[in-house]
Amino acid sequence: AQSVTQLGSHVSVSEGALVLLRCNYSSSVPPYLFWYVQYPNQGLQLLLKYTSAATLVKGINGFEAEFKKSETSFHLTKPSAHMSDAAEYFCAVKGNAGNMLTFGGGTRLMVKP
Amino acid sequence: DTAVSQTPKYLVTQMGNDKSIKCEQNLGHDTMYWYKQDSKKFLKIMFSYNNKELIINETVPNRFSPKSPDKAHLNLHINSLELGDSAVYFCASSQALNTGELFFGEGSRLTVL
Repeated sequence: AQSVTQLGSHVSVSEGALVLLRCNYSSSVPPYLFWYVQYPNQGLQLLLKYTSAATLVKGINGFEAEFKKSETSFHLTKPSAHMSDAAEYFCAVKGNAGNMLTFGGGTRLMVKP
Repeated sequence: DTAVSQTPKYLVTQMGNDKSIKCEQNLGHDTMYWYKQDSKKFLKIMFSYNNKELIINETVPNRFSPKSPDKAHLNLHINSLELGDSAVYFCASSQALNTGELFFGEGSRLTVL
């Protein structure tokens, strides 16, 4: 069984500030972990993925995430928020034995000018 | 060219009616999915098809019937619509069955009155 918990359904930051979106996972097998972004009225797009290679993963638009096994976490960060980063962000986990992706509840990122 | 396209984008209908949503992908992927996103943005997988064969059928009422005429198409037919079926339905595809890298359509917002 696998699950994902995203702490904070809403996160608000000022433009230029650090973005930190939290994700903790539970998986009975070594996980594959993903972050997806959903802009208003659009489908989800893959931001980045962890597949047991480097623990620090870089994605598109300046985002990165670090896999920490000891903390069962895969938090998403960006050093400096931009207005265009305002969106819904979803963390997802997949056990390596199966193909089903399990999504967290999402975190809405708001960026203030 | 849109990689994963769904039609229609919006449906508004009465309880008890039947409706269909069509999905096409031009990425040459083998696997296609239907996800349901509720009003709280929670995403849940409904069906997964690989090479036109049903792989995953989550606990979905049998009023929902997917059909995959070929690898590039996965349609969703819903009979006897209920209020609780109101949601955004996303079609997605992936290159293979065991990857978590999904490409999503823009969604079809279904409103049942």
